[in-house]
Amino acid sequence: EAQVTQNPRYLITVTGKKLTVTCSQNMNHEYMSWYRQDPGLGLRQIYYSMNVEVTDKGDVPEGYKVSRKEKRNFPLILESPSPNQTSLYFCASSFTHNSPLHFGNGTRLTVT
Amino acid sequence: KQEVTQIPAALSVPEGENLVLNCSFTDSAIYNLQWFRQDPGKGLTSLLLIQSSQREQTSGRLNASLDKSSGRSTLYIAASQPGDSATYLCAVKLDSNYQLIWGAGTKLIIKP
Repeated sequence: EAQVTQNPRYLITVTGKKLTVTCSQNMNHEYMSWYRQDPGLGLRQIYYSMNVEVTDKGDVPEGYKVSRKEKRNFPLILESPSPNQTSLYFCASSFTHNSPLHFGNGTRLTVT
Repeated sequence: KQEVTQIPAALSVPEGENLVLNCSFTDSAIYNLQWFRQDPGKGLTSLLLIQSSQREQTSGRLNASLDKSSGRSTLYIAASQPGDSATYLCAVKLDSNYQLIWGAGTKLIIKP
């Protein structure tokens, strides 16, 4: 089944403890991106990648890192999480940047 | 800076009615515009993607239009059903750097 898989679905952590949210797609998509969704602020793009080894900042990249070493995976790394990074995170992918986006089911992160 | 607005924030209509959801954007230099639906606790599902050179796209009971000059897009839903209840979001891809800018969404409730 064609899908975007994010793990974990739920994560509770403490301030400063490094974490990684994984994202994998099995559709051979070139374009991948990360978003966070917050009440009242809507969806905001964190980082995106047009292809392997090509990444770029979105609207709110501060405090996040990404890597795209292989086509299928696009992990989101929080080196030192803070409470203001508590949010619902979505990974998405598409064939190209001009194709419909496919979303994962989301990761709800709580940083205490 | 591109801003995307969706009005109304919420809409409740009886089953069977035709309805229109609105999306407006401030900068006409867009690459494409996409409409999504989001169900509670789930990721987003792409409904329609309109290229900047297109005027409309159709899929089943859904029709999306785009008027770049006036900075507006509409999503028309024909013969609404309770299963159409969801939050509908529009997103604009910038021409300059391919970032996605999101509207806050319209929460749609279809009453049986």
